[in-house]
This record gives sequence, structure tokens and C-alpha cells, in this order.
Amino acid sequence: DAKTTQPTSMDCAEGRAANLPCNHSTISGNEYVYWYRQIHSQGPQYIIHGLKNNETNEMASLIITEDRKSSTLILPHATLRDTAVYYCIVLNEKLTFGTGTRLTIIP
Amino acid sequence: EAGVAQSPRYKIIEKRQSVAFWCNPISGHATLYWYQQILGQGPKLLIQFQNNGVVDDSQLPKDRFSAERLKGVDSTLKIQPAKLEDSAVYLCASRGQLQETQYFGPGTRLLVL
Repeated sequence: DAKTTQPTSMDCAEGRAANLPCNHSTISGNEYVYWYRQIHSQGPQYIIHGLKNNETNEMASLIITEDRKSSTLILPHATLRDTAVYYCIVLNEKLTFGTGTRLTIIP
Repeated sequence: EAGVAQSPRYKIIEKRQSVAFWCNPISGHATLYWYQQILGQGPKLLIQFQNNGVVDDSQLPKDRFSAERLKGVDSTLKIQPAKLEDSAVYLCASRGQLQETQYFGPGTRLLVL
């Protein structure tokens, strides 16, 4: 399975854009990049996924580099409710979760 | 649409006791997963069902864990007998036939004393 590397933790000021990086240098051409988040005491919540093109939905934007070796999840206007652990996963038949990035939104 | 339902939400048992968790997936979702999440770690896949058949149970400790999905809808995960190291959150997820995205339930938090 393609491994992902994420920073252990990040802080972001409320109202600012939160940019969460992920490295996946061993990704294969047909593997999707998925992002989930897990708010304390809840199950993981799907955010967004992409293959090659940048993607945007009501929650976030996903920017994937042209060589697909890294991606960035962007929360455009972070709120306190966005405080969570964010997981970047390369989907290869199954979801293999790492330890993710603990994002803290600062008031 | 309703999400993945799990019960109970919390369970405390003593070691060597038995425990069962229940999951009701999103309506129409043929694929169902059980994950174990130990504190401070990401979820780890235990077993995957496609309808009522097992697709992958390679990470399931079969000496004490069992799971079934008899009618291809609800599923039950059982631990018998429980050990202290089984203390974790047990998550159920489901996926639709033409989708790759898994949707998770709220989880059952198990504490083994």
C-alpha cells in the first residue's frame, strides 16, 4: 500500500484557511487520495477525494500536484468545529489509516 | 439518508467476559467493514463483508473475535473472551455498490477491566 506522510499537528487561526499537506510519493497511477477527519469521540467523516484533478466540495478543496506525489487539503475558512484529526489515505482496495494530523483551530 | 448506526455506544466489561456489537449500514450498501481503533492510533480494518460473505478477515484475531452478516444487512461483531488489550473503539463502515467511499458510524467504545 502506498504510504502517506503527514505532520503530526498543526494550528490555524479561526477564520483563516487551513492548509494540510500530505506526501504520497509511492502512489500508483490508479490510486485515489482520500481525506477523512475524526472529531473527538466520533467516527471518521469523509471529506473529499481525488485522482489527478483538483477537487472542491462544500467542505474543502483538494489540490494534487501534477506528479501526484503530494496533495494539500484546504479548509477555506476554518472554524472551531474543524478541530479534529485529519487523515490522508491512498486508497488501494482498502483504507489504511495512519496517525493523521491533529489540527487545532485557535480562537 | 440515515447514516451507519451502531450500538451500544459504550460498554464496560471485565476481562474474560463476552461482548457483542451491532451495526446497521446505510440502506442498500452491500459492503460492510469493522475497524478497531486503539487510543492514539488510526482505525485498523478487522473484517470486510460483501453482502453476507467475508471478503477479507486477515486482520481479525479469530481465536477470540467473530463477526457475521447473516442476511447481508446488519452485522454483529463478537469478542469472546475479552482481554485488556481489546479496549478500543469499534467502528463500522459501509460502502455502496458503485462507490469507493466508505461511511462510518459513531463507533462503540469498549473498556475491558
